[in-house]
Amino acid sequence: AQTVTQSQPEMSVQEAETVTLSCTYDTSESDYYLFWYKQPPSRQMILVIRQEAYKQQNATENRFSVNFQKAAKSFSLKISDSQLGDAAMYFCAYRSAGSGGGADGLTFGKGTHLIIQP
Amino acid sequence: GAGVSQSPRYKVAKRGQDVALRCDPISGHVSLFWYQQALGQGPEFLTYFQNEAQLDKSGLPSDRFFAERPEGSVSTLKIQRTQQEDSAVYLCASSLVPAGIYEQYFGPGTRLTVT
Repeated sequence: AQTVTQSQPEMSVQEAETVTLSCTYDTSESDYYLFWYKQPPSRQMILVIRQEAYKQQNATENRFSVNFQKAAKSFSLKISDSQLGDAAMYFCAYRSAGSGGGADGLTFGKGTHLIIQP
Repeated sequence: GAGVSQSPRYKVAKRGQDVALRCDPISGHVSLFWYQQALGQGPEFLTYFQNEAQLDKSGLPSDRFFAERPEGSVSTLKIQRTQQEDSAVYLCASSLVPAGIYEQYFGPGTRLTVT
């Protein structure tokens, strides 16, 4: 079974600065997908960014980018120019390219609580 | 269109009671997922539907948990004889196509408290 580890329960950053959230995962599969989801307080979880394992190029979405290191099984999220609206729980998630046995769903880490200091 | 909706948003049940949690996915979405999120944890996969077919129920914690999606749209997660360890937020998500890189859209969740 796959596991996802987020080693930072909480991170704090000054508004307008850059912060990096860490994520590592364990898998024996070669083909899979990785995601970062954001869960604001009392609001729905939304997708921030996604990466296909076979793509070497790191995904970027505006102020959000990832550092995907397949050999190291690392998938960190960098948020540039942090804004107050970025404050939320951030979850790293893994999805197998296969099916069945739980592979269809996402495997989440425990999350990192991101605090933005004004 | 509207996003994924769930009802009720909050449910308090006495231990031993049965509960039913409803999920209305985004119209036209083929895939539907249920997750359980305990306090301070990430969501954990429970079950997956593709249209009306339940293709994966490997995450259901016990035979007290049952899910259905009879017409391939609305889904219900039923928990029989609730226990205190069932207290959690139950999240529903839907996806346009079955697999891969495609985004899962999450509902607001139902917070279940078993007393």
